[in-house]
Amino acid sequence: GAGVSQSPRYKVAKRGQDVALRCDPISGHVSLFWYQQALGQGPEFLTYFQNEAQLDKSGLPSDRFFAERPEGSVSTLKIQRTQQEDSAVYLCASSPYRVSYNSPLHFGNGTRLTVT
Amino acid sequence: KQEVTQIPAALSVPEGENLVLNCSFTDSAIYNLQWFRQDPGKGLTSLLLIQSSQREQTSGRLNASLDKSSGRSTLYIAASQPGDSATYLCAVPFNQAGTALIFGKGTTLSVSS
Repeated sequence: GAGVSQSPRYKVAKRGQDVALRCDPISGHVSLFWYQQALGQGPEFLTYFQNEAQLDKSGLPSDRFFAERPEGSVSTLKIQRTQQEDSAVYLCASSPYRVSYNSPLHFGNGTRLTVT
Repeated sequence: KQEVTQIPAALSVPEGENLVLNCSFTDSAIYNLQWFRQDPGKGLTSLLLIQSSQREQTSGRLNASLDKSSGRSTLYIAASQPGDSATYLCAVPFNQAGTALIFGKGTTLSVSS
């Protein structure tokens, strides 16, 4: 496809379950970002990859959150022992360049996670 | 710590009106400012990016201005249309490396026909 693809689109998890969210960036894009968007809020940065290297994970809210991009393309965001406060839309974005403050970002449609 | 605020939180206008959305930021040492559009259930689409050295950027019916010294940006939409209905967010880079953006909460615009 031409854009950033995220799956699943919707995920319902019971509190305490582990979840895995997938992001397929635009082919060849070097940079990949994960953001968390709670209802009625703006997106908040979680983590950034340049190819397979996770260069910034300062936004991950706890050690229950883990992200990887082992081959520098597809990325997975994993949340262990989900809590109700993890309910949000998780957005993935990619950029064709090594990131700078002027890098264009292409966002996916997100995965809406609901923890019951 | 940089904070980005957008007012109003929601706005309803009839078709054809010109309107202004506001964005303010607490730390004026920004590299640029972006305006995004988000449709329900969708990701974000970049509308305009203003460099810190610029005062304005225009794209079609959209015009964004930036006043770094006062920590403000405005997005002007001319002759609004129902298709403009969406949430509009502004964002600034967290650092020069640009590894993160700090977003406002957005303004949800509804344009009625």
